[in-house]
Amino acid sequence: AQSVSQHNHHVILSEAASLELGCNYSYGGTVNLFWYVQYPGQHLQLLLKYFSGDPLVKGIKGFEAEFIKSKFSFNLRKPSVQWSDTAEYFCAVTPYSSASKIIFGSGTRLSIRP
Amino acid sequence: NAGVTQTPKFRVLKTGQSMTLLCAQDMNHEYMYWYRQDPGMGLRLIHYSVGEGTTAKGEVPDGYNVSRLKKQNFLLGLESAAPSQTSVYFCASSYLTGSSYNEQFFGPGTRLTVL
Repeated sequence: AQSVSQHNHHVILSEAASLELGCNYSYGGTVNLFWYVQYPGQHLQLLLKYFSGDPLVKGIKGFEAEFIKSKFSFNLRKPSVQWSDTAEYFCAVTPYSSASKIIFGSGTRLSIRP
Repeated sequence: NAGVTQTPKFRVLKTGQSMTLLCAQDMNHEYMYWYRQDPGMGLRLIHYSVGEGTTAKGEVPDGYNVSRLKKQNFLLGLESAAPSQTSVYFCASSYLTGSSYNEQFFGPGTRLTVL
């Protein structure tokens, strides 16, 4: 069965630390990849997306993600986190040709110590 | 543009009661979705729609029904609520660019408690 794994359930960092959140998926075909962020009490918002082309994609608020096809991974990175990055982060994968099969990971809660 | 809106924001039901959650979008999107979010389980797709008048089951459809009579609205119904349906419900909409499915735009959520 198709799945998305986010191995880090809760990450705690200090301000200015570097961040990397893991995302691995299981699907053999062409996929579209997304990272969403959910700030406390708010709805999900798109951070960045990958459809094709350069595997290193840049998103809002200084986030970036790298698609490594051979590893079925789409890890999220930020070189220096801020307290305002405290949120829950969701990786999502959808087969290129299907609107119905988007699968979300279970999420990673990020806590930033001021 | 309001984007995706959901009503109500909060609701408490007793077991066996029924209710309807309303989702509305003003972006002329073809695709609309209903998810539930439970701690540690991410988002799970309940039902979705690829256009006006069409609906389909997602990952966890049991106990829910949906209707899409108008393109901008997607209704989620609970006929006989159960405590297992206590959750936060999110609606989302999306669109096609060529043959590629784009990101989803989410509503603010409805927090439902079933006693």
